[in-house]
Amino acid sequence: SAVISQKPSRDICQRGTSLTIQCQVDSQVTMMFWYRQQPGQSLTLIATANQGSEATYESGFVIDKFPISRPNLTFSTLTVSNMSPEDSSIYLCSAALAGGPETQYFGPGTRLLVL
Amino acid sequence: DAKTTQPNSMESNEEEPVHLPCNHSTISGTDYIHWYRQLPSQGPEYVIHGLTSNVNNRMASLAIAEDRKSSTLILHRATLRDAAVYYCILRDWGGSQGNLIFGKGTKLSVKP
Repeated sequence: SAVISQKPSRDICQRGTSLTIQCQVDSQVTMMFWYRQQPGQSLTLIATANQGSEATYESGFVIDKFPISRPNLTFSTLTVSNMSPEDSSIYLCSAALAGGPETQYFGPGTRLLVL
Repeated sequence: DAKTTQPNSMESNEEEPVHLPCNHSTISGTDYIHWYRQLPSQGPEYVIHGLTSNVNNRMASLAIAEDRKSSTLILHRATLRDAAVYYCILRDWGGSQGNLIFGKGTKLSVKP
């Protein structure tokens, strides 16, 4: 299994600023993902964080807005850049231990409010 | 990944069994059926998964139709803590990157 922690747990930010969210896994994992969950909605995949290379972004998400780093097998960051009120969401980090029908583990989420 | 269809919401009484249905008529032979749930103010958590045969674990049972076009998550005795949004998700491990694609899920309410 894997336990995922995220920092910060919540934040209130001003529009135009940027926030970096950290995700730490307690064991080495093969795959890490970032999701967004807007108020009252389901989860939407933002990107797959690839170790040592650029993240793979889903349609509608771009690197300039959501730069992602993954320097090793246990850590990743997501930055929400030049924020607007529409970026107010819960951002969740997720990890899978191996490629296959394995379970995927989720962090508790970072609740972001942009004023 | 193939699409799933779930009821928007369901209600149950505490300590009674709950059957959460999921339709996936376009499932392919390499799709696994996964169930996750999201408790209020938490990230999703894994519940159970299966391919063809029924599966049981400490949390729930998964009943898969013979043609695999539908499945049912069974909570044998609902507790107040089981109130959550339950997501039925198909994952093709034939060549995917492994990420989960979430639908809207079923919001389960449990009455004392």
